[in-house]
Amino acid sequence: GQNIDQPTEMTATEGAIVQINCTYQTSGFNGLFWYQQHAGEAPTFLSYNVLDGLEEKGRFSSFLSRSKGYSYLLLKELQMKDSASYLCAVMDSNYQLIWGAGTKLIIKP
Amino acid sequence: GAVVSQHPSRVICKSGTSVKIECRSLDFQATTMFWYRQFPKQSLMLMATSNEGSKATYEQGVEKDKFLINHASLTLSTLTVTSAHPEDSSFYICSARGSQGDTEAFFGQGTRLTVV
Repeated sequence: GQNIDQPTEMTATEGAIVQINCTYQTSGFNGLFWYQQHAGEAPTFLSYNVLDGLEEKGRFSSFLSRSKGYSYLLLKELQMKDSASYLCAVMDSNYQLIWGAGTKLIIKP
Repeated sequence: GAVVSQHPSRVICKSGTSVKIECRSLDFQATTMFWYRQFPKQSLMLMATSNEGSKATYEQGVEKDKFLINHASLTLSTLTVTSAHPEDSSFYICSARGSQGDTEAFFGQGTRLTVV
């Protein structure tokens, strides 16, 4: 079956760095997405990785290792507004998104 | 990025009535639209995938007669929750993709449905 695993909840301190991991097993692979979702709102796109390596975009970076079925989202210089759920999703061979359950990130002052 | 507009953002309806949710792609043609529902503190659950001009493909366990999906044009898809019950109360989100090879799907703002 297809499976996406990510931690349920993480806590970090304002100004610090946090890494959210995602492991996956899917039928084919056409890229991995990270989305941010604030409570009561739709997800917003953060990053897309289809090749191995690190993609940096401002305070957020995303890493992919296809051989290990592994990705992480790295958030630097955490701000209170970064408190949200972070969803990992993999696009399978049919170009359908398989979603992880999301990681709730709690930022403390 | 492309814009997807979902309407209404919130709706309260009486049990037994039907509710229609619209999803429009404003600046691109959406070959495929996806409908999700999300319960509190849970991830997105795909309900159905619709391709313009053809019948929607429903995920296992989703009642197609209860959740009617129409994708009559390349810019509009609708989800109608028929004979709504309190257990249908949820957050419904649509997303749209231009073509099968496109990697990104763009999300609507979501609709909070409360059935009383």
